[in-house]
Amino acid sequence: SQTIHQWPATLVQPVGSPLSLECTVEGTSNPNLYWYRQAAGRGLQLLFYSVGIGQISSEVPQNLSASRPQDRQFILSSKKLLLSDSGFYLCAWSVLGSGGFNEQFFGPGTRLTVL
Amino acid sequence: GDSVTQMEGPVTLSEEAFLTINCTYTATGYPSLFWYVQYPGEGLQLLLKATKADDKGSNKGFEATYRKETTSFHLEKGSVQVSDSAVYFCALSGDTGFQKLVFGTGTRLLVSP
Repeated sequence: SQTIHQWPATLVQPVGSPLSLECTVEGTSNPNLYWYRQAAGRGLQLLFYSVGIGQISSEVPQNLSASRPQDRQFILSSKKLLLSDSGFYLCAWSVLGSGGFNEQFFGPGTRLTVL
Repeated sequence: GDSVTQMEGPVTLSEEAFLTINCTYTATGYPSLFWYVQYPGEGLQLLLKATKADDKGSNKGFEATYRKETTSFHLEKGSVQVSDSAVYFCALSGDTGFQKLVFGTGTRLLVSP
């Protein structure tokens, strides 16, 4: 069966520090991968998605970046965190070429607090 | 572009009450529709889905019917439990090529004993 891992589960970082969040998927090949952010009291915002290794699409301008160095690994990074980067970060995957509909499966999330 | 509108919360109910969370959408073509649930401190879990008009998705006592004529996908449960307390997200996915999920803003449900 497929599983998705995210780490760390929680993170407290000072403003201006770098960030690296990692997401890995097991049990499937060529998944579509997604990073979402959920700010306090707000809905889900799609940040990035990837349809393959090295292929990253950005949904919103920001000081975050994403990379996909391996088929089932998706990394969210920042060189300098801002207070507004605080939130709950969720990674998700879906099957490439599922057509028809796009059912996504979510990881447990990383809660980031920037102080 | 495609969009999803959900009723604002929180929705506060007593145990065994009837639940309705409204969801309407705007999309071209024939999108697929989903309800996701997020329990406190956790990621999202797919609750149910419907991929064509008049389909009824159901799971764990929850139901939602894909109504194309009213562009709606309202979530219902006949008798809620305290354990149903969570945030519920309505979402849609387009029907051509690679499509992102478009989420509503979420509705928090609080069920008291």
